[in-house]
Amino acid sequence: QQQVRQSPQSLTVWEGETAILNCSYEDSTFDYFPWYHQFPGESPALLIAIRPVSNKKEDGRFTIFFNKREKKFSLHIADSQPGDSATYFCAARRYGSSGNKLIFGIGTLLSVKP
Amino acid sequence: EAAVTQSPRSKVAVTGGKVTLSCHQTNNHDYMYWYRQDTGHGLRLIHYSYVADSTEKGDIPDGYKASRPSQENFSLILELASLSQTAVYFCASSGGASNERLFFGHGTKLSVL
Repeated sequence: QQQVRQSPQSLTVWEGETAILNCSYEDSTFDYFPWYHQFPGESPALLIAIRPVSNKKEDGRFTIFFNKREKKFSLHIADSQPGDSATYFCAARRYGSSGNKLIFGIGTLLSVKP
Repeated sequence: EAAVTQSPRSKVAVTGGKVTLSCHQTNNHDYMYWYRQDTGHGLRLIHYSYVADSTEKGDIPDGYKASRPSQENFSLILELASLSQTAVYFCASSGGASNERLFFGHGTKLSVL
């Protein structure tokens, strides 16, 4: 049972276009929603994150849109560059009596064509 | 820069053998995690720990044990390795409740034959 659902599994865009990656969740106790990216042969690294008190978080060309009512959040990459080609993972954190757990989606392989 | 070091970088194991993957962090972080990465499954949490001498089950703990002998060290143990455990394993650390960013190690590629 997938706790964080991510789509699409792969996405190809042209340089300069906006790439849109989507995630959804069911558990309303999740309280932190990051996006990680992973380049081939490397380990995942934090890209940007949002908490449910906000519905938008921007960092340069990267923006998270968060819809608490629909339990959905998305990553928009504006003016996509070939160097953005990587696998992107959304995630959600559950913090409870057993500590801090970060649950990841299955990932979106993004390819940006020049 | 936070540092998480995994060993070995890669390993070939035989079915039924014992495998130990090691992780060391110098971040002074309370939390440490073991994830496995497989195509089509993303990153799945196996075990985690938020204090030395204690471990917690993640989402896919079956077939794995974990050990946290100190704040800096966290091991993943496969007592009887199976073909289905062939994957890339990532260790990560984080500061905890108010410092959620995960710092990952470089990964261990495990092949079980």
